[in-house]
Amino acid sequence: EIVLTQSPDFQSVTPKEKVTITCRASQSIGSGLHWYQQKPDQSPKLLIKYASQSISGVPSRFSGSGSGTDFTLTINSLEAEDAAAYYCHQSSSSPATFGGGTKVEIK
Amino acid sequence: EVQLVESGGGLVKPGGSLRLSCAASFSSYTMNWVRQAPGKGLECISSISSSSTYIYYADSVRGRFTVSRDNAKSSLYLQMNSLRAEDTAVYYCAKGDTYFDYWGQGTLVTVSS
Repeated sequence: EIVLTQSPDFQSVTPKEKVTITCRASQSIGSGLHWYQQKPDQSPKLLIKYASQSISGVPSRFSGSGSGTDFTLTINSLEAEDAAAYYCHQSSSSPATFGGGTKVEIK
Repeated sequence: EVQLVESGGGLVKPGGSLRLSCAASFSSYTMNWVRQAPGKGLECISSISSSSTYIYYADSVRGRFTVSRDNAKSSLYLQMNSLRAEDTAVYYCAKGDTYFDYWGQGTLVTVSS
């Protein structure tokens, strides 16, 4: 089973700051890495698919990069509505697995 | 518009059973059950392909949970037997065979005496 390790676990950020969340896979997964946002008391929402592909309706300040074992989710110019937990998810190898999550708090 | 609506959650005693349902506005996609224990992360516990030819269970539920679907009714099911305290979680159904592009609102299952 592929283990996804996210860092940091928690980040407190000022609005308009840039946020970077990393996800490291225990073995190479190519580009089979996806990112989700989960706001309190809501279900997860797909933000980025296949490491860097954008999703219709998702603000352009969200972007993803990486391949192999190291991936990054970047939020440019953080807004108050971005307070949430963010999860990475790999689908390259069965079973699909999720990272432990990163909670982003707005200062 | 794609919609997924879960139902069937509730309070059950250890060793008991529950059957979750997920009503979808479509029928021809791989579907998944993902759970989230209180204050914890996401865990994909079961997947079923559109024709039910591929079925996956996480080790944590294999032998106790059974996934099924009725494409004529656009519905997904999860029969949960021998429930344990550690099965307490919000259970989501999610669409997709790689990324999960649509999720239901979730249904809470609480296993407690």
